[in-house]
Amino acid sequence: NAGVTQTPKFQVLKTGQSMTLQCAQDMNHNSMYWYRQDPGMGLRLIYYSASEGTTDKGEVPNGYNVSRLNKREFSLRLESAAPSQTSVYFCASSEGQGLDYEQYFGPGTRLTVT
Amino acid sequence: GDSVTQMEGPVTLSEEAFLTINCTYTATGYPSLFWYVQYPGEGLQLLLKATKADDKGSNKGFEATYRKETTSFHLEKGSVQVSDSAVYFCALSTGNQFYFGTGTSLTVIP
Repeated sequence: NAGVTQTPKFQVLKTGQSMTLQCAQDMNHNSMYWYRQDPGMGLRLIYYSASEGTTDKGEVPNGYNVSRLNKREFSLRLESAAPSQTSVYFCASSEGQGLDYEQYFGPGTRLTVT
Repeated sequence: GDSVTQMEGPVTLSEEAFLTINCTYTATGYPSLFWYVQYPGEGLQLLLKATKADDKGSNKGFEATYRKETTSFHLEKGSVQVSDSAVYFCALSTGNQFYFGTGTSLTVIP
């Protein structure tokens, strides 16, 4: 089992460029999440997908879009990158939504926008 | 709204010292509480969890007790090792979403 995988590991963009961050999980989990991690701010939820076919906004959704392609894959798109989106992005998955379920994290994508 | 507050770091300890990282929470309802650990260059890994008041989560010598009366979930370890050097995150789950603290960096020196 690979768990949660993310591509790419590193990316440098110029302001205004677009890109898609890919995430896949092989644990047959129903729920998937995208977070960003910034110094001194912990992890903040961007978007989540409680189940295949649904997506919802988290705490900081502006400037991002997501697609739940199928049960395994959940992608995050930056349409027009801005320096404020320089961050480390983590994808996570959980078996479901509920108090007993922990989240499993991918290794992260370090994005720099110049 | 729901939130987690954890002690600021960085924390530096000598090997075999006692560790406490404080975590308090604000939540409506009865959340589950978690501690995650992040090693350099990696994603977060679950360290331990507790799903109801007075539960104690434990793993790899780390412990934390869910205290509803003080809204706390402090992480403790009796004797830290160099390999425990990492960033520790306290988190709560409402069932729909997770809320993470800002993380506490721990460095253990030999």
